[in-house]
Amino acid sequence: GENVEQHPSTLSVQEGDSAVIKCTYSDSASNYFPWYKQELGKGPQLIIDIRSNVGEKKDQRIAVTLNKTAKHFSLHITETQPEDSAVYFCAASNTGNQFYFGTGTSLTVIP
Amino acid sequence: GAVVSQHPSRVICKSGTSVKIECRSLDFQATTMFWYRQFPKQSLMLMATSNEGSKATYEQGVEKDKFLINHASLTLSTLTVTSAHPEDSSFYICSAIRDPQSQYFGPGTRLLVL
Repeated sequence: GENVEQHPSTLSVQEGDSAVIKCTYSDSASNYFPWYKQELGKGPQLIIDIRSNVGEKKDQRIAVTLNKTAKHFSLHITETQPEDSAVYFCAASNTGNQFYFGTGTSLTVIP
Repeated sequence: GAVVSQHPSRVICKSGTSVKIECRSLDFQATTMFWYRQFPKQSLMLMATSNEGSKATYEQGVEKDKFLINHASLTLSTLTVTSAHPEDSSFYICSAIRDPQSQYFGPGTRLLVL
């Protein structure tokens, strides 16, 4: 089955700096890679996603890159703000609607 | 984005009672919904996959007689925790698939069993 690894587990950055979270996956059948932001006491929120036929996708301060050959994908947050502080989860999915989640990254943006 | 609601947001019950949690996709139809359990500072643990009009598929180790799932319509799935015990206290989160593949989560339900 699929195995998704996520690093780092915790990340602290100064406000305004960039944050990068990396995930690797093992199953070449995975073709959809969403990222979720979870604030304390709330459900995960889909913030950006990428499909296997695309190498990069950007939405304002958030971007995701995908390297299918190396089987890794990354979340990039630029110009971080305190409200970006949360736990971020990556996931890999296949056409069978099976989702495999990373273990999460706790991001703290220091004002 | 798509909206998924959950009700109630938190519930406290006595040991031995049953609790029902509702999950609704508000602006799209969802053939598939998922139920997760999340322990503090941990990732999401899939409990079961709920398919409209058919029996739910439970993950290994999840008791189907304890966690009853009903997906009666394309916008509603329910999870009933039967004969709840303190060890069932947790954060339960549902999600719904908006075709073709996007998964949207509800806000979660905090269950505390006394």
